[in-house]
Amino acid sequence: EAGVVQSPRYKIIEKKQPVAFWCNPISGHNTLYWYRQNLGQGPELLIRYENEEAVDDSQLPKDRFSAERLKGVDSTLKIQPAELGDSAVYLCASTPLTSTENTEAFFGQGTRLTVV
Amino acid sequence: SQQGEEDPQALSIQEGENATMNCSYKTSINNLQWYRQNSGRGLVHLILIRSNEREKHSGRLRVTLDTSKKSSSLLITASRAADTASYFCATCPSGGPDKLIFGTGTRLQVFP
Repeated sequence: EAGVVQSPRYKIIEKKQPVAFWCNPISGHNTLYWYRQNLGQGPELLIRYENEEAVDDSQLPKDRFSAERLKGVDSTLKIQPAELGDSAVYLCASTPLTSTENTEAFFGQGTRLTVV
Repeated sequence: SQQGEEDPQALSIQEGENATMNCSYKTSINNLQWYRQNSGRGLVHLILIRSNEREKHSGRLRVTLDTSKKSSSLLITASRAADTASYFCATCPSGGPDKLIFGTGTRLQVFP
């Protein structure tokens, strides 16, 4: 079974440019998460989807970040315009249930963004 | 914001030795999970312990949970060079949004 797939693996952009990340969760997983991981830190949640609905986006900087999950499968995370402080690894994860209460999360390999 | 901290921040040991990592958190939880992250890669789930459990084993891993102290520990026995990675605890808060809140991580280096 394929795991969570993210692309691209690496991205280098100049500040003020837009960037987009793509995630394909494990087939059948209803819940999808986007996390951001700064260097030397643990991941922090940006947004959580249940099917196509964003049920928790309280940590998403909405002035420059946006996300969508059309048809409740693939998801994209966009930053426009990017700032130097956005350099981080962006991780996508999925779970088969609507709660992590009794299940693990499956993570993709992440996209390492460098803003110069 | 992160749920809590892990201790130590970094740990270096020789192959065959045991490695112990500690995690403290702030709020009541449904469960606590441990993940491993190799350099430049995604996180891999290791073990999940529910709030009503005190200890759990999986292969060379032993996890304890003390909800009264809001702390957990991960013990890796008979470590191998391949165990070199960063280890994160993550909590699923009770009564709150369904998300994992990660600690700051412990970087483990196992020398052959």
